[in-house]
Amino acid sequence: DAGVIQSPRHEVTEMGQEVTLRCKPISGHNSLFWYRQTMMRGLELLIYFNNNVPIDDSGMPEDRFSAKMPNASFSTLKIQPSEPRDSAVYFCASSFEQLQGAFFGQGTRLTVV
Amino acid sequence: GQQVMQIPQYQHVQEGEDFTTYCNSSTTLSNIQWYKQRPGGHPVFLIQLVKSGEVKKQKRLTFQFGEAKKNSSLHITATQTTDVGTYFCAGVDYGQNFVFGPGTRLSVLP
Repeated sequence: DAGVIQSPRHEVTEMGQEVTLRCKPISGHNSLFWYRQTMMRGLELLIYFNNNVPIDDSGMPEDRFSAKMPNASFSTLKIQPSEPRDSAVYFCASSFEQLQGAFFGQGTRLTVV
Repeated sequence: GQQVMQIPQYQHVQEGEDFTTYCNSSTTLSNIQWYKQRPGGHPVFLIQLVKSGEVKKQKRLTFQFGEAKKNSSLHITATQTTDVGTYFCAGVDYGQNFVFGPGTRLSVLP
């Protein structure tokens, strides 16, 4: 299995632009998580899905952030419009069941200038 | 809301010395998970503890879940340079809320 696949690995964009991060979870996993990691705030859970349904989006910073999971093998995290304070590493992770250990992708390093 | 703390924040050890990091939750947990993140890498799942007082071992790593299910520890015996990284605990409470601790960054001097 290739593990959790995220794209792009790096993204540099200008303030105000739309950014879309993509994730392919491990096949057979039914829970998917989006995390953000910064030096100041550490690892923050943004949202997680169970069986493609958003369960908890309380970590989503504000309306500029949205996440979708149209099917079991694909999810997106969108930021529109992006701001410099959104600069961070965004991780996607998946797990076999909701409360089991999660397997992380390699992350997308986002820089908003 | 649920809070998870870890101590120490940083630990520098000489290769061969032991290392322990402690994780404390403000609420009772249904389970606790431990992850390791190498510099520049992504978190890697190590283990999950579910039962009160549970102890699990992985080679030189020993994980323990407290009796009250509010704290946990990770102990590494005879550290090696390959142990360098940040060790995170993640608490899962009975409301199915996930919270990562801030992590303990381990440096191992050869």
